[in-house]
Amino acid sequence: QSALTQPASVSGSPGQSIAISCTGTSSDVGSYNFVSWYQQHPGKAPKLMIYEGSKRPSGVSNRFSGSKSGNTASLTISGLQAEDEADYYCCSYAGTNTLVFGGGTKLTVL
Amino acid sequence: QVQLVESGGGVVQPGGSLRLSCAASGFSFTTSGMHWVRQAPGKGLEWVTFIQYDENTKYYSDSVKGRFTVSRDNSKSTLYLQMNSLRAEDTAVYYCAREGSTRAIHAFDIWGQGTMVTVSS
Repeated sequence: QSALTQPASVSGSPGQSIAISCTGTSSDVGSYNFVSWYQQHPGKAPKLMIYEGSKRPSGVSNRFSGSKSGNTASLTISGLQAEDEADYYCCSYAGTNTLVFGGGTKLTVL
Repeated sequence: QVQLVESGGGVVQPGGSLRLSCAASGFSFTTSGMHWVRQAPGKGLEWVTFIQYDENTKYYSDSVKGRFTVSRDNSKSTLYLQMNSLRAEDTAVYYCAREGSTRAIHAFDIWGQGTMVTVSS
């Protein structure tokens, strides 16, 4: 399984909105609505932000939203805040009982 | 509180073995599917393996199939990862995580703090 493709870095100013893309294939992202997103601060464990493509776990801010079009999933963060600065990873069910992650995106809040 | 605590990491020579443990508390471990996910130093996340709540179903990534074995002891609320034939590329922080979806494996909703495994001579 090849890793999903994410931009290495994105940046935005406080209050702005940004989107992080996660591109897979018709064998993973394109075939299933089972995409999740994780936030990871340095030295910390990842935190689930989005699951089933667009659902937020309890306690996750509604500034975080997920969507999908074709083979590409996206995480959008609106009203950027300093504490959003972190690494973000996507993950997709890839069929045959396997999972594949993206390479990760470093978000910088300017 | 809800918690996963990994242990058992350390330094091992190539070809060696190591067993990781993950103690769960604060949620129903006996009805939860569980994963191991790893992260090499400075790199991204990589899914390793999944075990269903009753141990009847196990899945592995191609990179560890045949070398790693996942198991669990529900009476002790503990998840295990037996790692054999270790390679330098297995060097990583190993996290245990709970599967949070009831529809398909893909949502890791509870994570441990991780345990470091270093494979080096």
